[in-house]
Amino acid sequence: NAGVTQTPKFRILKIGQSMTLQCTQDMNHNYMYWYRQDPGMGLKLIYYSVGAGITDKGEVPNGYNVSRSTTEDFPLRLELAAPSQTSVYFCASSSGGEQYFGPGTRLTVT
Amino acid sequence: AQSVTQLGSHVSVSEGALVLLRCNYSSSVPPYLFWYVQYPNQGLQLLLKYTSAATLVKGINGFEAEFKKSETSFHLTKPSAHMSDAAEYFCAVSDREGSQGNLIFGKGTKLSVKP
Repeated sequence: NAGVTQTPKFRILKIGQSMTLQCTQDMNHNYMYWYRQDPGMGLKLIYYSVGAGITDKGEVPNGYNVSRSTTEDFPLRLELAAPSQTSVYFCASSSGGEQYFGPGTRLTVT
Repeated sequence: AQSVTQLGSHVSVSEGALVLLRCNYSSSVPPYLFWYVQYPNQGLQLLLKYTSAATLVKGINGFEAEFKKSETSFHLTKPSAHMSDAAEYFCAVSDREGSQGNLIFGKGTKLSVKP
């Protein structure tokens, strides 16, 4: 039982490039989330999903897109990377209540 | 709207001393409250949760927290700190009643433990 897995662990992007952060969970959870974590700021919710085919914006969605075609996968897309998107990104899943987190992706945009 | 305030971005204690990490919340509905721990370069791990049952909640690694409605607080304590407790701790509140809400996180408190 792997829980929540994220790839890649690290990535450096140039301004204007695009990439997809992958997230997969094997706990059959309906709810999935994407957060970004910046030093001293806690975690901010980017997007979330309550089930396959259903997504909604969180607190800081600008510059990101998501899709949820299966229960297991919840990829996060950055279309035109900007330095402000330098952060650590966490994916989480839940069946309601407590959330289970992946190990994170550290992204640097230069 | 729900919010969480963690008092003190850094707390330093000696090994064997009491750990007290403070969390105050604001919620327009009966809150579900959580404490998470993050070790360096790792994701967040649930320490304990309050979901309207017992007001004193026991978690993993000897931590506990007490829900005090009159003070809108959910402080995290551990009687005796261990070096392995050094980490960052996050308090969170659900943004709606019940278990289906999103979590609103505090800014975190980094705990250092001195030998």
